[in-house]
Amino acid sequence: EAQVTQNPRYLITVTGKKLTVTCSQNMNHEYMSWYRQDPGLGLRQIYYSMNVEVTDKGDVPEGYKVSRKEKRNFPLILESPSPNQTSLYFCASSPTSLAGASYEQYFGPGTRLTVT
Amino acid sequence: AQRVTQPEKLLSVFKGAPVELKCNYSYSGSPELFWYVQYSRQRLQLLLRHISRESIKGFTADLNKGETSFHLKKPFAQEEDSAMYYCALRGSGNTPLVFGKGTRLSVIA
Repeated sequence: EAQVTQNPRYLITVTGKKLTVTCSQNMNHEYMSWYRQDPGLGLRQIYYSMNVEVTDKGDVPEGYKVSRKEKRNFPLILESPSPNQTSLYFCASSPTSLAGASYEQYFGPGTRLTVT
Repeated sequence: AQRVTQPEKLLSVFKGAPVELKCNYSYSGSPELFWYVQYSRQRLQLLLRHISRESIKGFTADLNKGETSFHLKKPFAQEEDSAMYYCALRGSGNTPLVFGKGTRLSVIA
């Protein structure tokens, strides 16, 4: 089954304790992205990656790191989490655009992170 | 710069009433527009895209370049349509998808 998976689905942690949220897709997509979803603010992009070893900042990259060493995986790293990073996080993937094509972005199930 | 505006945070309608979720965008070129939906406790999923000119679950959306809008419409709302709806835009080339802040639709029985 074609899908995007995230782990863990729920995480409660303390300020300053490094954590990693994994994201994996089995559709051979080049493009992957991380978003956070907060009430009243909608979806905001954290980082994205157009392909292996290529990553770029989104709208809210502060406090986050990513890596793209393999095509299928795009982990989100919080080196020193803070309470303002409490949020619902979504990973997404899609093919890259071909001329004239319109492609769908596939989302993971979400990771609810609470930082106390 | 690309920007998507969804002016309504919350829209409540009665079952059977028409629904229109507004989306306006800012982009100088020819954009690709999408509507994504998120049902309670589920992941976001694509509802429809302008390039397909399709109707999904009774919803349609027409790209109006003159008004820079891509409003989502349904003639008769159903309770199962209650969800969070996001309008999204992609510019030319391999540019990231830009989302609006979303509109929560609540259909009241």
